[in-house]
Amino acid sequence: QQQVKQSPQSLIVQKGGISIINCAYENTAFDYFPWYQQFPGKGPALLIAIRPDVSEKKEGRFTISFNKSAKQFSLHIMDSQPGDSATYFCVPITALIFGKGTTLSVSS
Amino acid sequence: NAGVMQNPRHLVRRRGQEARLRCSPMKGHSHVYWYRQLPEEGLKFMVYLQKENIIDESGMPKERFSAEFPKEGPSILRIQQVVRGDSAAYFCASSQRGQVSRKGYGYTFGSGTRLTVV
Repeated sequence: QQQVKQSPQSLIVQKGGISIINCAYENTAFDYFPWYQQFPGKGPALLIAIRPDVSEKKEGRFTISFNKSAKQFSLHIMDSQPGDSATYFCVPITALIFGKGTTLSVSS
Repeated sequence: NAGVMQNPRHLVRRRGQEARLRCSPMKGHSHVYWYRQLPEEGLKFMVYLQKENIIDESGMPKERFSAEFPKEGPSILRIQQVVRGDSAAYFCASSQRGQVSRKGYGYTFGSGTRLTVV
C-alpha cells in the first residue's frame, strides 16, 4: 500500500530558477509533514517541515505549501543553486517510507 | 550532541561471512530505524525498534537479517552469510517519539555504513 506519492522522480532546473516537488498522501492521520534532503554519500537530513494547521511555511529559499483538502504538499526552492542538487524526500511522519525521492540537478 | 553514530563507515565482507552494523542513536532518542539504500530502489525501510523491542520488521528479509536494540549499547543490524546483493548503503535513524505518536518528530539520520560484498 503506497501511502505517499512523490513527483517528479527527477528534475533539472537552471540556476536561479524555481524547483517544485510535489507529494500526495492518503492517510489523514498524518500530522507532521517533513522534507528531507540527501547529498551523495550522506544520510538524509531534515530540511523543513510543516504541521497541517498552517498552509505555508518558509525558511529562506525553501517553502512548503500545504493543501489539506487535496491531501497534497509541495516543496518550492526559490533561486535554485547548484548546491541544492540533491535527492529530496517527503515523508509524512509515521509513514516510515522514503522511497526513491526526487533527484534535483541545478545546472550552472 | 554527537548525533546518530554509525560504524563502521565502510565494511567489506566476502560472500558467506557475517556483517554487523552498529548504530548509536542521538542522546535522548529511544526509537531506531534501519534503512537500506540502493540506487535503483531508493531508501527502503527495513525495521523499527525501541529498546529491547522490535516494533515493525515488515521491511526485513525473512532470512539472514536480524536486528536488535538492547537495553544497553547500540542497535545492531546483523546480516549472516552475506551475498553480493547485500551490497548497499545502510542507514540508521533515530527519533525521540515513535511512529504511534500523534506529535510527530523528525528522524535524525547517521552517515550510513557502506557494505561491499566481494
